[in-house]
Amino acid sequence: QQQVKQSPQSLIVQKGGISIINCAYENTAFDYFPWYQQFPGKGPALLIAIRPDVSEKKEGRFTISFNKSAKQFSLHIMDSQPGDSATYFCAASMEAAGNKLTFGGGTRVLVKP
Amino acid sequence: NAGVTQTPKFRVLKTGQSMTLLCAQDMNHEYMYWYRQDPGMGLRLIHYSVGEGTTAKGEVPDGYNVSRLKKQNFLLGLESAAPSQTSVYFCASSYSGQGAGDEQFFGPGTRLTVL
Repeated sequence: QQQVKQSPQSLIVQKGGISIINCAYENTAFDYFPWYQQFPGKGPALLIAIRPDVSEKKEGRFTISFNKSAKQFSLHIMDSQPGDSATYFCAASMEAAGNKLTFGGGTRVLVKP
Repeated sequence: NAGVTQTPKFRVLKTGQSMTLLCAQDMNHEYMYWYRQDPGMGLRLIHYSVGEGTTAKGEVPDGYNVSRLKKQNFLLGLESAAPSQTSVYFCASSYSGQGAGDEQFFGPGTRLTVL
């Protein structure tokens, strides 16, 4: 049973456009929601994260929107650049379970120049 | 700092063979993790360790064993490899796992093929 569902599996966006990736979770005990970015042949790296007491967090061109009542959160990449082409994973964890991460299935983003 | 390193980078095994994947971190992290990554399924936790000498099962532990004899090293063993274990394996570490949200740092991965 996949506790974190991510969509879409892939998306293509033009340079300068907005990339939007959505995730939905089931366990209301999750208390930390990170996004990881992975380039081909590399390990994932933390991009941005949010806790459920805020509805939005922005870091540069990357924004997380969080909807606690809907149990959904999303990543927005503004002014997408070719260097943003990567696979993005949402994840969730709970302090009570030792912060073990449960990952979504991943979204492959391709930014066309 | 090298961060998290993994050896080997690639390996091909025949069904039934055994092997050990080595993960090392130089950040003095307490927590270490082993994940496998398969297309469309994200990363799934195999085993993890909350400190030297401890190990615990994750989401998909069957067919794997681990050991954490030294704080900086976390070994993943496959006793009798099966084609279903063909995957990319990632090791990660985090400072303590305490408090909500402790960043995990990932290694570069090991691509394993079992024929």
